[in-house]
Amino acid sequence: AIRMTQSPSSFSASTGDRVSITCRASQGISNYLAWYQQKPGKAPKLLIYAASTLQSGVPSRFSGSGSGTDFTLTISCLQSEDFATYYCQQYYSYPLTFGGGTKVDI
Amino acid sequence: QVQLVESGGGVVQPGGSLRLSCAASGFTFNSHALNWVRQAPGKGLEWVAVISCDGSKKYYVESVKGRFSISRDNSRNTVSLQMNSLRPEDTAVYHCARGGVATERGNYSYYYMDVWGKGATVTVAS
Repeated sequence: AIRMTQSPSSFSASTGDRVSITCRASQGISNYLAWYQQKPGKAPKLLIYAASTLQSGVPSRFSGSGSGTDFTLTISCLQSEDFATYYCQQYYSYPLTFGGGTKVDI
Repeated sequence: QVQLVESGGGVVQPGGSLRLSCAASGFTFNSHALNWVRQAPGKGLEWVAVISCDGSKKYYVESVKGRFSISRDNSRNTVSLQMNSLRPEDTAVYHCARGGVATERGNYSYYYMDVWGKGATVTVAS
């Protein structure tokens, strides 16, 4: 199985900050990577797929980059509603696998 | 609107069985693969299983192979997860999730997940 490793596992930030989360795959996955946001007690929400394609309705302050094994999710100007846990997921091979999550708090 | 609603969760003893269902609405059901993804208390997301649009292809995470079975009824817009021989480590919230645009490689199709249900809670305890 492909292992997805996110870093950091958590960090604190302030509204208005530019923040980045890294996801590394244990083997090359081309650009078959998605990012999700999850708030406590809620279902995950798709933010980005194909490493850099913004899902419809997601604010443009979210962006994704990377290919192969190294990927980044960037939030250009953190808003209060962005404090949540973020997960990456590879869809290059089965089993589909997620990173361990990155919690962004105030 | 596009919606997935899970049902069938509950408390079951180790070794027992449970069947989860997911009712879909607001989209062309038979055009999408469907997944089950679980989240143990305080833990991250774990993909469990996927079923193709027509139900002909199914894939599972290793830890549930031989115990869980995914199925779908395209006439009723529902997908189910039959869970047998349940273990305490199967305790989790189980989300139904729609597959996005398929990525085709070789004989396989792979998916990100673009619509999620709120989940059904499964607790395996004596």
